[in-house]
Amino acid sequence: AQKVTQAQTEISVVEKEDVTLDCVYETRDTTYYLFWYKQPPSGELVFLIRRNSFDEQNEISGRYSWNFQKSTSSFNFTITASQVVDSAVYFCALSEARGGAHSDEKLTFGTGTRLTIIP
Amino acid sequence: DAGVIQSPRHEVTEMGQEVTLRCKPISGHDYLFWYRQTMMRGLELLIYFNNNVPIDDSGMPEDRFSAKMPNASFSTLKIQPSEPRDSAVYFCASSPRDRGKLFFGSGTQLSVL
Repeated sequence: AQKVTQAQTEISVVEKEDVTLDCVYETRDTTYYLFWYKQPPSGELVFLIRRNSFDEQNEISGRYSWNFQKSTSSFNFTITASQVVDSAVYFCALSEARGGAHSDEKLTFGTGTRLTIIP
Repeated sequence: DAGVIQSPRHEVTEMGQEVTLRCKPISGHDYLFWYRQTMMRGLELLIYFNNNVPIDDSGMPEDRFSAKMPNASFSTLKIQPSEPRDSAVYFCASSPRDRGKLFFGSGTQLSVL
């Protein structure tokens, strides 16, 4: 069975500091997708990134970067030079591609990390 | 473009009452999902549809919960009878068949007293 663990329940950092959110996953599939979603105070979840299991290249998007390591089953998310607008709950998620025709749409979410950026 | 629209935003009801949550997905999206978020259990997938057909309802907690999608632009999640343990935020999301890239609504905060 698939599982996503976000061990950090809450993190607080001072504005402009870098912060890394950890995500560890479990799956028996060789083909799977990993995601990060952001839940700002307004409530709706917003898609940030998707990686497939065959692409371990790290990705950078502005102040955001993601480090995917299959050897440790981790998909960590780093925010560089954090800003108050980054305050939110961040969810890591996993879907498996070989559970049926629609299985890659079925996401299992971690419990989330609440990130607070202190001005 | 309008996003996923959920109504009501807040619902307060008494135990035993019927509750109906509504969702309008983004036009053109052929997947629709219902999630429930609680502090204890996090985000749980209740049920999802493809082209109005339920694909997987294994997350529906019990027979008190039912979901329908009569057409491509509307879905309901019904709880009858409601219980205090059903108190949660219920999210609807839709997807254009893009491997897990979901678009979420703002959620319905349900409180069952």
